[in-house]
Amino acid sequence: ELKVEQNPLFLSMQEGKNYTIYCNYSTTSDRLYWYRQDPGKSLESLFVLLSNGAVKQEGRLMASLDTKARLSTLHITAAVHDLSATYFCAVDSLYSGGGADGLTFGKGTHLIIQP
Amino acid sequence: NAGVTQTPKFRVLKTGQSMTLLCAQDMNHEYMYWYRQDPGMGLRLIHYSVGEGTTAKGEVPDGYNVSRLKKQNFLLGLESAAPSQTSVYFCASKTFNQPQHFGDGTRLSIL
Repeated sequence: ELKVEQNPLFLSMQEGKNYTIYCNYSTTSDRLYWYRQDPGKSLESLFVLLSNGAVKQEGRLMASLDTKARLSTLHITAAVHDLSATYFCAVDSLYSGGGADGLTFGKGTHLIIQP
Repeated sequence: NAGVTQTPKFRVLKTGQSMTLLCAQDMNHEYMYWYRQDPGMGLRLIHYSVGEGTTAKGEVPDGYNVSRLKKQNFLLGLESAAPSQTSVYFCASKTFNQPQHFGDGTRLSIL
C-alpha cells in the first residue's frame, strides 16, 4: 500500500523567510505532483516531477524529486503573503500504467505567511 | 473551455436519502476520478474509471457507486446516505502521463 507523508502539516512563517516542505512516500514511484489549494477552492497543479533528480521552479517555489530516497521537497524562497495556502503532494503508483489508477495524497501542509 | 464541471456545488441530505453527483469534462480525457476530502485527511480516492464503460474501486469505495456511460461524464451515487459521508467531493480527469485536472468540488452535508 502506497503511503505519502508530508511534514510539517502546519507552518506559520514570516514574509521574506525561506522554508521547505517535505514529502516522503513508501513505495517505488516515478511521478510526483504538487498541488495548491486555497480555502474553499479546488486544487491547482503546481509541479509535475517525472524522474529522479527532477527540479522545477516557478517564481518563489521550487520542487525537487529524489526517487532513491523516495523524497520530494517544495522550497519557498523569500515568502510572500500570497503564497498562503494548503500544499499537497501526491504520488502515482509506478505500476499504474501512465497514472491511470489515481493518486495517493499526503495530508497537506497548511501554510500561513504573515506580514 | 469549462474543464471539469461538478453538479451540484452544495447539497444537504437526510440520513437514508439517495443522490447522484455529476462530473462532466470537456477535455476528451480517458481517465476520471472521484475523491473525498475531509479535514486533516487530504484527498482519498473513492472510485475511478480508465475509459467509457469501465470503473474500479479506490481506497474508500464503500457506500458509493459509480457509472461512466459516456466518456465525458462520471457519476457518483450514494444509495443510502450516512453522516460519515459528509465531505467535500472532488472529481478529476486526466490523460496519459499528465496531471489531473480537478473540478470545484461538491460540498455535501448529511444530517
